[in-house]
Amino acid sequence: QQQVKQSPQSLIVQKGGIPIINCAYENTAFDYFPWYQQFPGKGPALLIAIRPDVSEKKEGRFTISFNKSAKQFSLHIMDSQPGDSATYFCAAIFYGQNFVFGPGTRLSVLP
Amino acid sequence: DTGVSQDPRHKITKRGQNVTFRCDPISEHNRLYWYRQTLGQGPEFLTYFQNEAQLEKSRLLSDRFSAERPKGSFSTLEIQRTEQGDSAMYLCASSLRTPVVGELFFGEGSRLTVL
Repeated sequence: QQQVKQSPQSLIVQKGGIPIINCAYENTAFDYFPWYQQFPGKGPALLIAIRPDVSEKKEGRFTISFNKSAKQFSLHIMDSQPGDSATYFCAAIFYGQNFVFGPGTRLSVLP
Repeated sequence: DTGVSQDPRHKITKRGQNVTFRCDPISEHNRLYWYRQTLGQGPEFLTYFQNEAQLEKSRLLSDRFSAERPKGSFSTLEIQRTEQGDSAMYLCASSLRTPVVGELFFGEGSRLTVL
């Protein structure tokens, strides 16, 4: 019940494309949903986060869409750039304490 | 550098040996987390501290693993009698008591290879 499922496992898009990464959860006790970005050899870094009472949040080229009834949320990257090539993890915060991460999506943006 | 630092960055050891990793969190952060990450997977929760108190420990964590944060500052993660399955990246992260907008600050990790 504490799992977060994520798809696809990998994604290749052309520069300017809009990659979409999807996540789903079961436990309704999760109360915050961040997305992390990780480059090779580095630790993950927070990209954007959303509360379950909000349906959409935008920060620059990154948008989270949240569907509370379906227990799903997704990350959209507008006008993707080669520098966005990284692994993206969705996560859920459990009772404001423990973070549960999805398995990750490896994104490649071709020039 | 005021980020989370981990040491060593890489450790190669033989099966059965003990290893210890150190994490220095961001100074004003009183929460400290340890995660394990294997290739192609997301970070897997191991344990976390609030100040010097270890508040939660994953049920997946065998008794060969122990973590301490003796003065509420730096933390150590020790793995006794290492096994090949322990090979992974061990990530440390810190946050304020109640993480703001879901933010953990991760270090660059300590990569363990068990031969």
